[in-house]
Amino acid sequence: QVQLKESGPGLVQPSETLSLTCTVSGFSLTSYSVSWVRQPSGKGPEWMGRMWYDGDTAYNSALKSRLSISRDTSKNQVFLKMNSLQTDDTGTYYCTRDLAYSGGGPYYYVMDAWGQGASVTVSS
Amino acid sequence: DIQMTQSPASLSASLGETVSIECLASEGISNSLAWYQQKPGKSPQLLIYGASSLQDGVPSRFSGSGSGTQYSLKISGMQPEDEGVYYCQQGYKYYTFGAGTKLELK
Repeated sequence: QVQLKESGPGLVQPSETLSLTCTVSGFSLTSYSVSWVRQPSGKGPEWMGRMWYDGDTAYNSALKSRLSISRDTSKNQVFLKMNSLQTDDTGTYYCTRDLAYSGGGPYYYVMDAWGQGASVTVSS
Repeated sequence: DIQMTQSPASLSASLGETVSIECLASEGISNSLAWYQQKPGKSPQLLIYGASSLQDGVPSRFSGSGSGTQYSLKISGMQPEDEGVYYCQQGYKYYTFGAGTKLELK
């Protein structure tokens, strides 16, 4: 059974750094990529970045200067760190499993499993 | 970045009514289009991927179609459990989501 679970502080001070952990089970981080997605209340989701199955990373260009994603495969964990937080970074943060699929051509990715989400409030 | 424009922003449907939601990409995305359903307080759930492939366990009343830059989600026979917010998402260049369509039962 594929599961992902986010954990981390619910409240972060402005200008501080957010640290979140995604703990996965039911699949291997060396076989599947994991993305981080955030969603402000009442708005659509925003992809933040991806930890590829081979250890490489990719970031949303809008967040790249503030964001770092890493992993510990021995613990089945993926980590997110984002610095210089502001109030508009408030929202729910999800980690997702990225499933590759192909219609006979290039491979594309889709988020086939999501964690329950971690609510983050940026406030003093 | 690829932009996804979703319409309508909200709609209300009667029980058994057929519903359609549209999604327009700012450039061609080669059918790398997914649809998700999100219920209040829950994480999004994958319904459709590859523009028309039904995710395992999703009722067959859900279907997807489209090509190039234009895609749509159809629900053939609205059910109470279909209430929620629906998002389209492109997977051609990483991910971008639409703003969502809120679907309610009339």
